[in-house]
Amino acid sequence: NAGVMQNPRHLVRRRGQEARLRCSPMKGHSHVYWYRQLPEEGLKFMVYLQKENIIDESGMPKERFSAEFPKEGPSILRIQQVVRGDSAAYFCASSAQEGGASYEQYFGPGTRLTVT
Amino acid sequence: GDSVTQMEGPVTLSEEAFLTINCTYTATGYPSLFWYVQYPGEGLQLLLKATKADDKGSNKGFEATYRKETTSFHLEKGSVQVSDSAVYFCALLWATGGFKTIFGAGTRLFVKA
Repeated sequence: NAGVMQNPRHLVRRRGQEARLRCSPMKGHSHVYWYRQLPEEGLKFMVYLQKENIIDESGMPKERFSAEFPKEGPSILRIQQVVRGDSAAYFCASSAQEGGASYEQYFGPGTRLTVT
Repeated sequence: GDSVTQMEGPVTLSEEAFLTINCTYTATGYPSLFWYVQYPGEGLQLLLKATKADDKGSNKGFEATYRKETTSFHLEKGSVQVSDSAVYFCALLWATGGFKTIFGAGTRLFVKA
């Protein structure tokens, strides 16, 4: 009964490179959320996806960031041309249904991105 | 907009001391409320939750009561252990306000032996 899986757990990129973060939701979950945690801060919502659809991307930076959740395979958070300010922990969460009051989100272990 | 405010840390306690971490929220309607715990270098684990007013969530000796009249969800534990040292996040989930979880800034707890 695997939980939410994320890989890689640690990712180092030089400025200007691309970062790809993967998230496999819990079995039976079709809703995925991405959050970013800057050092010494709480988590901030980035994007909410269902299979093949972006439902809410109000927390995504307007440039360089994109997310997808294809019909098959994991959800991908992609950061193009990374900058030092992108260094953070990126957490994925999944839920069984729409995030109603009773359906909390289960979090993965996170990917820690370091931009050098 | 919706928000969560929790007491600033770090909080340093001796083993077996009583713990309170204050949390208040702002939201229209009736969100679900959560406490998550994050151990060093790890992801978030759900500690407890409450989905409606006057509900008490409890787990591993921790408890919190959903107080609508004071819009609060304070975390308490009667006797902390060194292994409780972690960062604690208060959060709300308000479906009709969007499906994102809104987190407080976190409170770091250090427990000394």
